[in-house]
Amino acid sequence: QQQVKQSPQSLIVQKGGISIINCAYENTAFDYFPWYQQFPGKGPALLIAIRPDVSEKKEGRFTISFNKSAKQFSLHIMDSQPGDSATYFCAASSTGNQFYFGTGTSLTVIP
Amino acid sequence: DAGVTQSPTHLIKTRGQHVTLRCSPISGHKSVSWYQQVLGQGPQFIFQYYEKEERGRGNFPDRFSARQFPNYSSELNVNALLLGDSALYLCASSSDAGLGYQPQHFGDGTRLSIL
Repeated sequence: QQQVKQSPQSLIVQKGGISIINCAYENTAFDYFPWYQQFPGKGPALLIAIRPDVSEKKEGRFTISFNKSAKQFSLHIMDSQPGDSATYFCAASSTGNQFYFGTGTSLTVIP
Repeated sequence: DAGVTQSPTHLIKTRGQHVTLRCSPISGHKSVSWYQQVLGQGPQFIFQYYEKEERGRGNFPDRFSARQFPNYSSELNVNALLLGDSALYLCASSSDAGLGYQPQHFGDGTRLSIL
């Protein structure tokens, strides 16, 4: 059973556009939600993370929106650049020990 | 500072063999976690160790085992390899386990291929 459901599976965005990736979860015990970026041949790198006591967190061009009642959270990449082309994973944890990852979104930003 | 280092980077084994993967965490990090990432999927949690003790175990068979050494480095062992064990094995380190949700820093993984 997939603890964290992620969509879309792939995304193509024009340079300068907004990329939006969505995730949903069922386990209400989850209380930490990070997003990771992974380039081919590399391990995932932490982008930004949020706790459920806030509804939004912004770091540079990356924003997490969190809807606790709907058990959904999303990543927005503003002014998307070709260098943002990568696979993005959402994740969730209730203990800070075991993280459950989504299935990933392959983002392609077209120049 | 060096990041999380994993060795080897690539490995080819045949069914039934045994494999040992190694991980050195970031200096000062005491927690190490192991993940399996099958092509096209997200990482799946295998183990977490903190201060040489197992803190968590994912839904993997007993063929998978791990340990952490006094210098906080770690080994993942897989016995009786199956074709389905072919994957990228990722190691992640953090400074604490479940304390303040310290960010996990991943290595670039070991690509294991089973023939």
